[in-house]
Amino acid sequence: EPEVTQTPSHQVTQMGQEVILRCVPISNHLYFYWYRQILGQKVEFLVSFYNNEISEKSEIFDDQFSVERPDGSNFTLKIRSTKLEDSAMYFCASSGQGDGQPQHFGDGTRLSIL
Amino acid sequence: QKEVEQDPGPLSVPEGAIVSLNCTYSNSAFQYFMWYRQYSRKGPELLMYTYSSGNKEDGRFTAQVDKSSKYISLFIRDSQPSDSATYLCAMKSAGGGNKLTFGTGTQLKVEL
Repeated sequence: EPEVTQTPSHQVTQMGQEVILRCVPISNHLYFYWYRQILGQKVEFLVSFYNNEISEKSEIFDDQFSVERPDGSNFTLKIRSTKLEDSAMYFCASSGQGDGQPQHFGDGTRLSIL
Repeated sequence: QKEVEQDPGPLSVPEGAIVSLNCTYSNSAFQYFMWYRQYSRKGPELLMYTYSSGNKEDGRFTAQVDKSSKYISLFIRDSQPSDSATYLCAMKSAGGGNKLTFGTGTQLKVEL
């Protein structure tokens, strides 16, 4: 069964450094998402991306965050200047064309900011 | 009031029991309702997906949506130790964005 893959599984970064999290969505999907889950808290929406542009973003997704689809298969989340509070699991998801299509998630990248 | 409320548990049941997991919500715009299962250090895995009110069955799993009460349920029949995980409800409105709003998750343990 097709799946969303994310790399790396664990990223350790010094505060203030830039980090790029990578995702390969399911190949025929057109909508891409990033969510995060701080330890012990609920999964929170960050951003959705369609047709090479952001379609929706949350209050969390401020100017330090950016997303990109650099080629036909990858989808990335960049955090420009990391803060301690950015430590979390970051999940990528994708869904097919059409309203209400279910979102399928990867296994996440655990980001630890020191 | 939180948009989606879910009892965090933990919920412990014996093998073979029927498990009932529930979420309530406040946003009447929600039209699509999902249940995800999340094992430790893994991503959410889609279990059930329903639109509007009604029931949906898939094997040992049944999802129910009662929009008039803003209440959704997931039932697991003949529970197995492999069902031990955190169960997340999630929902979204129709049209517009595809943002999912999640509950906090209920931790389930099925004991031998």
